[in-house]
Amino acid sequence: DQQVKQNSPSLSVQEGRISILNCDYTNSMFDYFLWYKKYPAEGPTFLISISSIKDKNEDGRFTVFLNKSAKHLSLHIVPSQPGDSAVYFCAATPTGNQFYFGTGTSLTVIP
Amino acid sequence: DAGVIQSPRHEVTEMGQEVTLRCKPISGHNSLFWYRQTMMRGLELLIYFNNNVPIDDSGMPEDRFSAKMPNASFSTLKIQPSEPRDSAVYFCASSPLPGPQHFGDGTRLSIL
Repeated sequence: DQQVKQNSPSLSVQEGRISILNCDYTNSMFDYFLWYKKYPAEGPTFLISISSIKDKNEDGRFTVFLNKSAKHLSLHIVPSQPGDSAVYFCAATPTGNQFYFGTGTSLTVIP
Repeated sequence: DAGVIQSPRHEVTEMGQEVTLRCKPISGHNSLFWYRQTMMRGLELLIYFNNNVPIDDSGMPEDRFSAKMPNASFSTLKIQPSEPRDSAVYFCASSPLPGPQHFGDGTRLSIL
């Protein structure tokens, strides 16, 4: 059973607008969350992370929000750029060793 | 830093053949992970090693799959015999502990 879920397989956004990617999890023991970005024919690359002691972490155009009570994670990209078009995976871990990944959301930023 | 190196990048073989996927982790990383990516299940963890020791192989689909890490700079994932349902992209990743994982570019495996 998927412990990390990304219910939107795809998302299209106009360049310059905000992209919001969502992720839900079921395991209350998860305490560290990450977002990865994946281009075709490449491996996922680490984008941004957040610890369960925080509810927001920002890095340039990328902000991750964590709502522990709702077991919900989101990634905001502002402003979106065509180079942001990729598949985004969220991941979570209870221990820092074993990571559980979602199925990914394919983001297309339209110029 | 060369990153995580996987070989081959593509593998096409017939059902029943043995397949060996290879991975060289980033030097100094003490954890190594093997994942399989499918459309239905996303990235599934197959097995991970800490300091060359297998810690959790509960994600390995069945006895046809085996993984080894004979030293800190090399790991293999073997499928014997291979079946068409094993077709997927297989990723290797390494990480320092604690820390995010660094992925290789994957091996696209097709079993005919």
